[in-house]
Amino acid sequence: NAGVTQTPKFQVLKTGQSMTLQCAQDMNHEYMSWYRQDPGMGLRLIHYSVGAGITDQGEVPNGYNVSRSTTEDFPLRLLSAAPSQTSVYFCASSTGRDRDKNFGAGTRLSVL
Amino acid sequence: AQTVTQSQPEMSVQEAETVTLSCTYDTSESDYYLFWYKQPPSRQMILVIRQEAYKQQNATENRFSVNFQKAAKSFSLKISDSQLGDAAMYFCAYATYPSNTGKLIFGQGTTLQVKP
Repeated sequence: NAGVTQTPKFQVLKTGQSMTLQCAQDMNHEYMSWYRQDPGMGLRLIHYSVGAGITDQGEVPNGYNVSRSTTEDFPLRLLSAAPSQTSVYFCASSTGRDRDKNFGAGTRLSVL
Repeated sequence: AQTVTQSQPEMSVQEAETVTLSCTYDTSESDYYLFWYKQPPSRQMILVIRQEAYKQQNATENRFSVNFQKAAKSFSLKISDSQLGDAAMYFCAYATYPSNTGKLIFGQGTTLQVKP
């Protein structure tokens, strides 16, 4: 099993550009979530999903869209990147019976 | 809403000695999970230890143990016999129980330096 795979690992965008951060898991986990990590603030939940076709907002959802068309994939879309979205992004997955989260390796995003 | 607070931005410890990282949280729930995650320079999030709030016994994983004080809403991590590989950022986190939907609430993190 590859676990949770995030792509790309690094990305530089210009203000106003759009892009999609990819997240895929091969463990058949129902629950997937996206976090952003900023210095001094820990990780904050952006969006999460409890199954295919079901998503909900977390603590900091503005400027981000998600969809969950399959169990395996949970992409995060930035529609119009802003410098405030410069951060490290983590995707995580788990099952309803599994209290532990599996995290991806993270994506470092810079918006200029 | 639940909150998690780590009041120590940085800590240091001499190799082979013991260090304790502090974490407090606020919740109105009676059952929940608490976690400590380690994040080395590689950025990978690694689960160190977990505690279920309904369990009175403090969790232990090898050199890592917690002091869970439910009434005080305190959840500290003790690292014994510190090793150079323990140097990392440590995050305290909270999750609801039993429906662990993937929502973790993190503290701000504590950077641990281990001196040889």
